[in-house]
Order: sequence, then structure tokens, then C-alpha cells
Amino acid sequence: ETGVTQTPRHLVMGMTNKKSLKCEQHLGHNAMYWYKQSAKKPLELMFVYSLEERVENNSVPSRFSPECPNSSHLFLHLHTLQPEDSALYLCASSQDSRGPGNTIYFGEGSWLTVV
Amino acid sequence: GIQVEQSPPDLILQEGANSTLRCNFSDSVNNLQWFHQNPWGQLINLFYIPSGTKQNGRLSATTVATERYSLLYISSSQTTDSGVYFCAVERGAGNNRKLIWGLGTSLAVNP
Repeated sequence: ETGVTQTPRHLVMGMTNKKSLKCEQHLGHNAMYWYKQSAKKPLELMFVYSLEERVENNSVPSRFSPECPNSSHLFLHLHTLQPEDSALYLCASSQDSRGPGNTIYFGEGSWLTVV
Repeated sequence: GIQVEQSPPDLILQEGANSTLRCNFSDSVNNLQWFHQNPWGQLINLFYIPSGTKQNGRLSATTVATERYSLLYISSSQTTDSGVYFCAVERGAGNNRKLIWGLGTSLAVNP
């Protein structure tokens, strides 16, 4: 138990569906992240939020839409995805996105399959 | 950009064996972290180690920043050590701080 909870753990969706991934952290952290993990590739940082403000968006397609209503919750809204978007999506949090000594804590991930 | 290379890519051990995993990086870094990802996807931070040596139970890590490498030692391996071990290096400052990840070492410990 890392203090970061993701739901759902598994999701299968069609290319025309709209779904959302949810992340909640119970650590009192100020920064939250979405990562994508595909087979044989390094982890890809998608979005960073610091104090509910998006501070980084790594050229992610608009079919992925993040939302951070408060510092404890982070969503990733999905629509009209492609099969190549199938991956493990990891949420993480840290005390601060900018300070040194910044240990990052991950959730268990959401396995997404697009059919 | 900076390259992070981990070796070996795959490793199979018999329970009780020791092993050393390596992480090489091509440029100076602010920091380096080791993570373990279990077969169900959970990533856990093992060490935050910009330099020197740290130990936590059967695991220890050494980073030699001047020579741009880090080593993760696993002693008396157990089946629960199976999974993927990632090295991630930190570069930049402020809003430009980034973690750059290696591809990982996939470890299987057989009973």
C-alpha cells in the first residue's frame, strides 16, 4: 500500500467509448502525475499537476484529457482511443514537482485495453 | 538527450542466489532512483541514491556519479523479488525537473 489508489485496475473499451481513470492519494502531496507504460518502452510522463495546476503536458494527444479538481484527486478522461493506446497507466504523487529529494509514489496502475 | 541503460535486460535466478543489476547513464544527473515493479504492476521506490551506498535489508545500492553508473545488489534472493527493476535519473531544475527511465531488468527468481 503506497498511499496512491487507482481505479479501475482493468478496463476494456471500444474505440468510440468514453471512460475515465481515477487516482487518489492519501499522502498530503502537492504534485500528481500520469505515466504511460508500454511494453519494451521506458515509462512516458504524460501530465504533471502541481497544486492542481498543470505544469507539464508532454505532447499527449487530445484524446487524453486530464483533470485535477484538488491536490488529492487526478482523473484521466479517455475518448476515441486507438488500439496503440493500450498500456498500463500509472498515477503517481510526490511532495512537490519541483523540489529536490523528491521521492515519487506510484499507484498500482490501470491496465487499459482498447479494442 | 541523456541515455539510461540497464543491464542485464533479463535475469533468472535460483532462490538464495545473489545478483547485481547495473544502470549506466550518459550525462551528469541530479539524482538517481531504483524502483521495483511487481508482476501486478505496482512500482515501489527502493532507493533514492545520488551517490554513495545505501542498504535496506537484503538490498543495497551504490551510485558512483563521477563514473555515471549505479549498481543494485540483491542478496539471498526470494521469489517475491521477481519483477522488473527500473533505474530512473533526475535532470533539470524547477519546472524542468524530469525523470528519465531505463528499460528495466526483468528478474525471475525460481523456487
